[in-house]
Amino acid sequence: QKEVEQNSGPLSVPEGAIASLNCTYSDRGSQSFFWYRQYSGKSPELIMFIYSNGDKEDGRFTAQLNKASQYVSLLIRDSQPSDSATYLCAVTPRDDKIIFGKGTRLHILP
Amino acid sequence: KAGVTQTPRYLIKTRGQQVTLSCSPISGHRSVSWYQQTPGQGLQFLFEYFSETQRNKGNFPGRFSGRQFSNSRSEMNVSTLELGDSALYLCASSLSTGTGSGTEAFFGQGTRLTVV
Repeated sequence: QKEVEQNSGPLSVPEGAIASLNCTYSDRGSQSFFWYRQYSGKSPELIMFIYSNGDKEDGRFTAQLNKASQYVSLLIRDSQPSDSATYLCAVTPRDDKIIFGKGTRLHILP
Repeated sequence: KAGVTQTPRYLIKTRGQQVTLSCSPISGHRSVSWYQQTPGQGLQFLFEYFSETQRNKGNFPGRFSGRQFSNSRSEMNVSTLELGDSALYLCASSLSTGTGSGTEAFFGQGTRLTVV
C-alpha cells in the first residue's frame, strides 16, 4: 500500500518565524511531489511542486526533496497569519496516480 | 481558462435517498478524481476516471459509484445515503499525460453534502 504520511498537527508558529512542514512517502520510485494549501471551508490549491532532489524556492516558500530518505518538506519563511491553513503533501508514484497525505494544520500566532 | 466546476455547491438529503454530483474538469484534462473530506478522516480518495474508464478505486462501499463521459465530465453517485456520508466531496482534474508528468491535480470548489 503506497502511503504518504504527515503529522496532523496543529503546528503553532509565531508570526515572522519559519514554519517547517514534513512529509514522508513509501514508494521509492515516486516521481513528482506537491504541496497544497487548504483554507478552512475551501478546496486545496497547489502552491509548490518539485521533481528533483534538493531545494526549490518560490517567494517565501521552499520545497525540499530527499529521495534517498523518502522525505519532502515545505518551509515557509516570515510566516504570516494568512499562512494559517492545512497543508497537504501529495506524491505521484511510478504510475500516474496522485496520493495525498492527511494534511498538517498550521497555525501562525500573531 | 475555466477551472474545475462542481455542481451543486450545497446539498441536503435524507437518509436512504440517493444523490448525484457533477464535475466538469479543466478543458483538455482527461483524468478526474473524486475525494471525500471530513474533519476526522481528512482527504480520502474515492476513485479516478481516465478516458471514460475507472482507473483507480479507493476503499469505499459499492454505494459510491461514478462515471465519466466522452467530454471528460464526471458524475459521482451515492445510493442509500447514511448520516456518515455527510462530507465535502471534492473533484480534481489533471492532465495525466501517462508519462508521470502533468499529474498535478486542480480542485473544484466542492459539494458540501449534508445527510439528515
